[in-house]
Amino acid sequence: GENVEQHPSTLSVQEGDSAVIKCTYSDSASNYFPWYKQELGKGPQLIIDIRSNVGEKKDQRIAVTLNKTAKHFSLHITETQPEDSAVYFCAASIGSSASKIIFGSGTRLSIRP
Amino acid sequence: NAGVTQTPKFRVLKTGQSMTLLCAQDMNHEYMYWYRQDPGMGLRLIHYSVGEGTTAKGEVPDGYNVSRLKKQNFLLGLESAAPSQTSVYFCASSYSGSYNQPQHFGDGTRLSIL
Repeated sequence: GENVEQHPSTLSVQEGDSAVIKCTYSDSASNYFPWYKQELGKGPQLIIDIRSNVGEKKDQRIAVTLNKTAKHFSLHITETQPEDSAVYFCAASIGSSASKIIFGSGTRLSIRP
Repeated sequence: NAGVTQTPKFRVLKTGQSMTLLCAQDMNHEYMYWYRQDPGMGLRLIHYSVGEGTTAKGEVPDGYNVSRLKKQNFLLGLESAAPSQTSVYFCASSYSGSYNQPQHFGDGTRLSIL
């Protein structure tokens, strides 16, 4: 079945440095790739998403890149801040519909002061 | 703005007991979803609904039932709880299944089955 793999599972970076989280997906029909941030005791919250007709998207310190040929997509956070500490999930649509998505296993990001 | 509200927030059950988890949204969303979150496995879709009166199976539906009698509510039932159903359950909703209408999540129900 469809699968999304996410790496690394944990990531620790110095405040101010950049963080990169990578995902691969198996369904070649997937065309919607959201990223969610989950803080302790809360539900996931969408932080950025990208569609397959776009190779890169930026929103302030956050950017996502997509390589459809290789079935890879990545989240880049620049100038990390303490409030960036959380668990991040990538996801991919099941087929060409955005109504159902499959999640990666998550990355716990810690920002060292 | 309440958004997506889940009740209860915590519950402990004994094996074989039944219970219902309630999800309510006040955003007039058509689509609603139930996920379970287990350590190291991300979120997995249990059941979902594309509108009032409709339900469909997700990735891990066994042992669960759902109902969507009202547009704003989506109920998840466990008829005979098993220890394997110990998890954190998240409800989500979206206006539609299109790309610019992302899923909004509640804060979860932590369920322990002894």
